[in-house]
Amino acid sequence: LAKTTQPISMDSYEGQEVNITCSHNNIATNDYITWYQQFPSQGPRFIIQGYKTKVTNEVASLFIPADRKSSTLSLPRVSLSDTAVYYCLVGENFNKFYFGSGTKLNVKP
Amino acid sequence: DTAVSQTPKYLVTQMGNDKSIKCEQNLGHDTMYWYKQDSKKFLKIMFSYNNKELIINETVPNRFSPKSPDKAHLNLHINSLELGDSAVYFCASTMGRNEQFFGPGTRLTVL
Repeated sequence: LAKTTQPISMDSYEGQEVNITCSHNNIATNDYITWYQQFPSQGPRFIIQGYKTKVTNEVASLFIPADRKSSTLSLPRVSLSDTAVYYCLVGENFNKFYFGSGTKLNVKP
Repeated sequence: DTAVSQTPKYLVTQMGNDKSIKCEQNLGHDTMYWYKQDSKKFLKIMFSYNNKELIINETVPNRFSPKSPDKAHLNLHINSLELGDSAVYFCASTMGRNEQFFGPGTRLTVL
């Protein structure tokens, strides 16, 4: 299992762009990088998935450098409702995924 | 029309009891999972079922047994409950390598 390392917590203000970086030095060739969001008392929710370079959807962007040993989740113009825990996962498929401790993002007004 | 549902939402029980948590998904997915999230918020995968076949089983005590009557259901039965079993248990489902859909969770408290 390619384990991941993320900051434990981050603070931001409404309207700012937030970048959360995840390290995964042991990522394998067939592994994908996936990010999930979890609000208190809810199950995790898929945000974005990528393999290399850049992926963008209506919620976030995912930047993956050429060596793929890290990835950065970018949340544009965060709001208070983006306060949550963000998990970075690496694996070939969901049977090999490992949820790390996640990054607790606190968005302030 | 909830995608992944779990029952009960809360479960309070005494040590030594046997309990079950039920999970149902109406997404037509072929793989279902059980996760345990402890008080420190670590999410650990416990089991997954693909087409009614157990395909992974992490280092989970054999007091925990998943049961899948059909592709849409994956129940979790726990024997001889211990204090350390107190946690939130999440069910999830997926199709292939696509995103997992999680249920709302079942908060188990063992007294």
